[in-house]
Amino acid sequence: KNEVEQSPQNLTAQEGEFITINCSYSVGISALHWLQQHPGGGIVSLFMLSSGKKKHGRLIATINIQEKHSSLHITASHPRDSAVYICAGYLGSQGNLIFGKGTKLSVKP
Amino acid sequence: EAGVTQFPSHSVIEKGQTVTLRCDPISGHDNLYWYRRVMGKEIKFLLHFVKESKQDESGMPNNRFLAERTGGTYSTLKVQPAELEDSGVYFCASSQFLPSFSGSSNEQFFGPGTRLTVL
Repeated sequence: KNEVEQSPQNLTAQEGEFITINCSYSVGISALHWLQQHPGGGIVSLFMLSSGKKKHGRLIATINIQEKHSSLHITASHPRDSAVYICAGYLGSQGNLIFGKGTKLSVKP
Repeated sequence: EAGVTQFPSHSVIEKGQTVTLRCDPISGHDNLYWYRRVMGKEIKFLLHFVKESKQDESGMPNNRFLAERTGGTYSTLKVQPAELEDSGVYFCASSQFLPSFSGSSNEQFFGPGTRLTVL
């Protein structure tokens, strides 16, 4: 069964903390997409990666193909980072995504 | 450049009625995807268009759902007749190319979603 599992489901942090969100996926998923959704907002693409590491500002995403695991890190977290972070795996080559259930992040000032 | 747009943003209808959702992808994007999130569940794939052709509609729940993309530009998703379990948020996404895993990749850009409530 093709699956994407995220942890934790909910995460509360203090401003400035380093945050890690994890994503494990099953065989058949070739690449991962990290997405962000603010309350009441649309879905924004953060990263798409199939190997290695990508960095954008305070966000870093890594993927380990052998272990079928990806992490999203947020350095120096800020209340505006509060959102739902979603890991989604590409199944095959057509771009169909399988989504994790999301991690609801709340950063307190 | 305009992003992916969806219309309406919200729709409230009664069971048995018909609703049509619209998605306008980013201009030039051949790939268009429909996804849905029902309450408390993860987002799930519905179908994928390449230009005007349905590439994969394996995620469509049943034959009450009909998607079209005439001319390969905007797409519509019609639900007829709507049932209570169809309530949820319907997202559309588009990409220029299919994912390429050996080199540069082409990500999907998501619309804001249409929140459908069936009473």
